[in-house]
Amino acid sequence: KQEVTQIPAALSVPEGENLVLNCSFTDSAIYNLQWFRQDPGKGLTSLLLIQSSQREQTSGRLNASLDKSSGRSTLYIAASQPGDSATYLCAVDMDSSYKLIFGSGTRLLVRP
Amino acid sequence: GAGVSQSPRYKVAKRGQDVALRCDPISGHVSLFWYQQALGQGPEFLTYFQNEAQLDKSGLPSDRFFAERPEGSVSTLKIQRTQQEDSAVYLCASSLNSDDYTFGSGTRLTVV
Repeated sequence: KQEVTQIPAALSVPEGENLVLNCSFTDSAIYNLQWFRQDPGKGLTSLLLIQSSQREQTSGRLNASLDKSSGRSTLYIAASQPGDSATYLCAVDMDSSYKLIFGSGTRLLVRP
Repeated sequence: GAGVSQSPRYKVAKRGQDVALRCDPISGHVSLFWYQQALGQGPEFLTYFQNEAQLDKSGLPSDRFFAERPEGSVSTLKIQRTQQEDSAVYLCASSLNSDDYTFGSGTRLTVV
């Protein structure tokens, strides 16, 4: 059974710092992996989607990498801003089946 | 509408009460999903519809949970005889294809 783990559970950094969020999964036979952002009381917003054949994806200050063989993905946020404060969730799709398996998330606080 | 709309935003139910949660997906989105998110956890898959057909209900925790999408658009998640462990945020998502999910803001259910 696929298990997705995110470390750390919470992170507090000063504004301007570069940071890395980690996601690991136990079964490397994934179809794709997504990173989502969740603001309090809001739904999930998709940030980056990495197909299993890809190694990384970039969007603005965000860069996500995928190492299928080691069962790991990282989300790199450059020059963090207070507006980046949110919970970041990673989710894997095993077979393009629609059923996402989520980690528990990392709660990020960027202090002004 | 522009996004996925869920109602009510908040619901307090007495233990044993039946509840109905509504999801209005993006117009034209064939696929609709329900997830349950307990406090401090990532969302967990409940059920999936393609048009009006419920193709997977393997995530529904018990036979007290029932979902329908009779005309292939609006969906309702019904929970009978609610229990305290049903307290969670219930998220609905819709998509045109399997990689592109739009989540609603969720319904926060509190069973007292």
